[in-house]
Amino acid sequence: NAGVTQTPKFQVLKTGQSMTLQCAQDMNHNSMYWYRQDPGMGLRLIYYSASEGTTDKGEVPNGYNVSRLNKREFSLRLESAAPSQTSVYFCASTRSRSGNTIYFGEGSWLTVV
Amino acid sequence: AQTVTQSQPEMSVQEAETVTLSCTYDTSESDYYLFWYKQPPSRQMILVIRQEAYKQQNATENRFSVNFQKAAKSFSLKISDSQLGDAAMYFCAYRSSAGGGADGLTFGKGTHLIIQP
Repeated sequence: NAGVTQTPKFQVLKTGQSMTLQCAQDMNHNSMYWYRQDPGMGLRLIYYSASEGTTDKGEVPNGYNVSRLNKREFSLRLESAAPSQTSVYFCASTRSRSGNTIYFGEGSWLTVV
Repeated sequence: AQTVTQSQPEMSVQEAETVTLSCTYDTSESDYYLFWYKQPPSRQMILVIRQEAYKQQNATENRFSVNFQKAAKSFSLKISDSQLGDAAMYFCAYRSSAGGGADGLTFGKGTHLIIQP
């Protein structure tokens, strides 16, 4: 089972460039999330989508946009990358808003120079 | 907003011994879920154990168990018979069960667990 798949796994960007992180899940989950992980900070929620067609801001949404393309896919876009966005990004999904376990992708390492 | 605090940035334990990782949280909600995730050097987030706040019984998964103290808002993880493969970052996380407000997990900053052979 693939679970939650993120692409790319590694990316180096120049300041001001744009890019999109792709995420897809094959577990028929309704809810999907994007987190970032910085040293000493744990994971922080950027955006989430409770269902197809809906998106909401999390704790640190500034500088990002998201699209819930369909039930399977949830993309994260950096329109004008900044060095402060250097981080490890995780996509996650779960069946619904409840105590269901949230499953994570393997992470995407993004460096902005 | 909820907060999760892990007061131990790093812990060290001898192989085969028992170690307890601490976690406290702050919430005004009565119904919620708590989790411990393990993150090895590969960075994969692996669920270790989960606890529903409405359950009084502490969750157990093989060598991993929790001590859930709802009134004290404490959720510690005990690892028995520590193994080298347990070495990792451990994150405590909170998830609201409420219908409104932001969804998703709120994480602590993590505890780096070192296993001494």
